[in-house]
Amino acid sequence: GENVEQHPSTLSVQEGDSAVIKCTYSDSASNYFPWYKQELGKGPQLIIDIRSNVGEKKDQRIAVTLNKTAKHFSLHITETQPEDSAVYFCAASIRGNTPLVFGKGTRLSVIA
Amino acid sequence: ETGVTQTPRHLVMGMTNKKSLKCEQHLGHNAMYWYKQSAKKPLELMFVYNFKEQTENNSVPSRFSPECPNSSHLFLHLHTLQPEDSALYLCASSQASRGLGTDTQYFGPGTRLTVL
Repeated sequence: GENVEQHPSTLSVQEGDSAVIKCTYSDSASNYFPWYKQELGKGPQLIIDIRSNVGEKKDQRIAVTLNKTAKHFSLHITETQPEDSAVYFCAASIRGNTPLVFGKGTRLSVIA
Repeated sequence: ETGVTQTPRHLVMGMTNKKSLKCEQHLGHNAMYWYKQSAKKPLELMFVYNFKEQTENNSVPSRFSPECPNSSHLFLHLHTLQPEDSALYLCASSQASRGLGTDTQYFGPGTRLTVL
């Protein structure tokens, strides 16, 4: 089955700097790659996703890139703000009725 | 608010107790999920219900028993738990219109369970 590896497990950046979180997946048939943000005391919430027919997607300060050949995808956050501090999870899945497989998460701390 | 509510938010129970976790979604979705979230581990999928039918049971011990009486409600019945079962239990729902794999999942806030 699918296996998703996520790095780093913790990341600290200065406010205003960029943050990058990387994930690799094992099953070349995976075609859907969402990213979730989990704030303290809350459940994970979808922030951006990408499907295998595109290489990059942007939404204001966040972007996701996908390299299907290398089987990895990354989350990029620019101009980080303290409210970006949270745990971020990547996930991957195959079309059909196989549920998402999640990475272990990255705890991002943005230092003011 | 994501439209998915969970009660209770915190639960402390002894190993001989029986308790239930409740999840309710107000999004009109057809699929509901239970996840276990432990420190330094990936989100562990426990159960999936799609149109009230259980479609996934990822080798979960029988001391966890799910129930899905309708598409809006999901329960997790707990009995004779172990201390290692202490974790955050998350409920999620999705539309299930394009298959579970490509569905956006909406999570509730979770129930923090402590087993003494």
